[in-house]
Amino acid sequence: EDKVVQSPLSLVVHEGDTVTLNCSYEVTNFRSLLWYKQEKKAPTFLFMLTSSGIEKKSGRLSSILDKKELFSILNITATQTGDSAVYLCAVETGNQFYFGTGTSLTVIP
Amino acid sequence: DGGITQSPKYLFRKEGQNVTLSCEQNLNHDAMYWYRQDPGQGLRLIYYSQIVNDFQKGDIAEGYSVSREKKESFPLTVTSAQKNPTAFYLCASSPDRGREQFFGPGTRLTVL
Repeated sequence: EDKVVQSPLSLVVHEGDTVTLNCSYEVTNFRSLLWYKQEKKAPTFLFMLTSSGIEKKSGRLSSILDKKELFSILNITATQTGDSAVYLCAVETGNQFYFGTGTSLTVIP
Repeated sequence: DGGITQSPKYLFRKEGQNVTLSCEQNLNHDAMYWYRQDPGQGLRLIYYSQIVNDFQKGDIAEGYSVSREKKESFPLTVTSAQKNPTAFYLCASSPDRGREQFFGPGTRLTVL
């Protein structure tokens, strides 16, 4: 059975802290791994990763994939209150996307 | 203004009633998806469609039906056979396989 597991389930940090969110997966026919940010409603796309070891970076956010160990991490440096959200990891297989349960991040001023 | 829209935003229904959730996109995307999100759970796939007039069941299709008569539209009907329909429903589209999904704002369905 294909599955995606995220950890931790929730995290509370202070502004300025650095956080690392984890996503591990067991799927057949892996094509890509995606990270989304969900604030209340529609998830918004952050990164798509297809190759191991190549870091994707956007501002204070970065992500990397390890296809040998079947996991990805999402790093957020110098966190701000606007980073508070649920971060979803999804893995694309042949036809479908499998989502993890998400990590709920709360950044305290 | 390109995007994906869902309506209504909130929907209330009595037990035993069918209800249809709308999803429209003007992004010219081939693929469209319906997900259900429950508290503390990730998104679970209900149905998806890669092209017009074709759709496939996801992991939790029982009690739901869809149609894809036009590229832009992928409505979801929640039937009375769905035992626990109260949830947040998200529609998404994608240009094709191997590309990221774009999500609509969601419809929150409550069964009274």
